[in-house]
Amino acid sequence: GAVVSQHPSWVICKSGTSVKIECRSLDFQATTMFWYRQFPKQSLMLMATSNEGSKATYEQGVEKDKFLINHASLTLSTLTVTSAHPEDSSFYICSAPPGQRKGWPQHFGDGTRLSIL
Amino acid sequence: DAKTTQPTSMDCAEGRAANLPCNHSTISGNEYVYWYRQIHSQGPQYIIHGLKNNETNEMASLIITEDRKSSTLILPHATLRDTAVYYCIALTSGTYKYIFGTGTRLKVLA
Repeated sequence: GAVVSQHPSWVICKSGTSVKIECRSLDFQATTMFWYRQFPKQSLMLMATSNEGSKATYEQGVEKDKFLINHASLTLSTLTVTSAHPEDSSFYICSAPPGQRKGWPQHFGDGTRLSIL
Repeated sequence: DAKTTQPTSMDCAEGRAANLPCNHSTISGNEYVYWYRQIHSQGPQYIIHGLKNNETNEMASLIITEDRKSSTLILPHATLRDTAVYYCIALTSGTYKYIFGTGTRLKVLA
């Protein structure tokens, strides 16, 4: 079945560091991918839609200069948290729909836990 | 896309059927109902989806009412490993912008 892989699964960084998270579709091509953020005991919050070959679309309230998204190929989207601070510590999850099959569910990565010290 | 409403939490005895309801009273004719679950510190796992008819797979059954305003996810023989947060999402076919509600926190008790 369709698999989405995220890397790294866990990262701890000093405040002020920029952190890159990768999201890969392993056995299918994804022109669109999605990035979510989840704080403890809360639901997933959609941050942005990553579009292959074009600019990402950000949800209201999400700083596009803070969370840089690059979707340079049909199997890879990256989220870079720039100049990360402790309040950016969270669980980041990506997802991708497997092609154009009508109604078919999309698949999620296992998430990246980001801790900023 | 239709808003969904789910109970905040439920308990179920191990080995019994877990019935998780979801209300999607504003669902339109071309919106599918998807169910996912999230076990602690993992990404959401797809369970099942449907449009009009009831569906069954190796994980669960999905019962959709005739008016499509609500659905029930059934885990026929719950195990401790089914303890998770279960999310119901209603979404138009061809769009993938999932909006997650609060979900139902299911606790399976030994």
